[in-house]
Amino acid sequence: ETGVTQSPTHLIKTRGQQVTLRCSSQSGHNTVSWYQQALGQGPQFIFQYYREEENGRGNFPPRFSGLQFPNYSSELNVNALELDDSALYLCASSFDRGIGEQYFGPGTRLTVT
Amino acid sequence: GESVGLHLPTLSVQEGDNSIINCAYSNSASDYFIWYKQESGKGPQFIIDIRSNMDKRQGQRVTVLLNKTVKHLSLQIAATQPGDSAVYFCAELVTGGGNKLTFGTGTQLKVEL
Repeated sequence: ETGVTQSPTHLIKTRGQQVTLRCSSQSGHNTVSWYQQALGQGPQFIFQYYREEENGRGNFPPRFSGLQFPNYSSELNVNALELDDSALYLCASSFDRGIGEQYFGPGTRLTVT
Repeated sequence: GESVGLHLPTLSVQEGDNSIINCAYSNSASDYFIWYKQESGKGPQFIIDIRSNMDKRQGQRVTVLLNKTVKHLSLQIAATQPGDSAVYFCAELVTGGGNKLTFGTGTQLKVEL
């Protein structure tokens, strides 16, 4: 186990609703990156948070937003859910924006109906 | 646009044989590459990485080869074991690009007894 936890494990939402996903980083890590993984695809980078500030963003619309808290845990918020938002959402934590040393959580499976 | 792709979606090997998983990338500015292993129900797990100034790197039972001339990356697994069955992703990073890690689609490795 990596020490990165995510909640909830599974979630079902209706199109148009809003969702908040949570991630607790591994002890000692100050960076959290979020990824969206559609079924049968590789993860797609959403954004990264470092010391409570956004530090890089992928090609996702503004309705995908995030937060990082002083304890370095993080939230991913998605507004106005669309069917295509159905995916596994992964967070990964690391130290000082490191990528090679990032550890992934098990993910949250979001289904939008 | 930028893309990272894999040649084969599924690879079946006999236990004890060597496995070779290939990956093509298109962004010549990528200077860091990582191989991940993802088992069912889990997040990606770091296997091995390589920087663009290297052409080979070895780990425990794994070797990564990088050919920048043809933009090709491969992962070799020696003496493949049933526990190696998983989906394998290559990912590329352009440092200074906001830590945006770009994953390929993935190759399913199946180890037959």
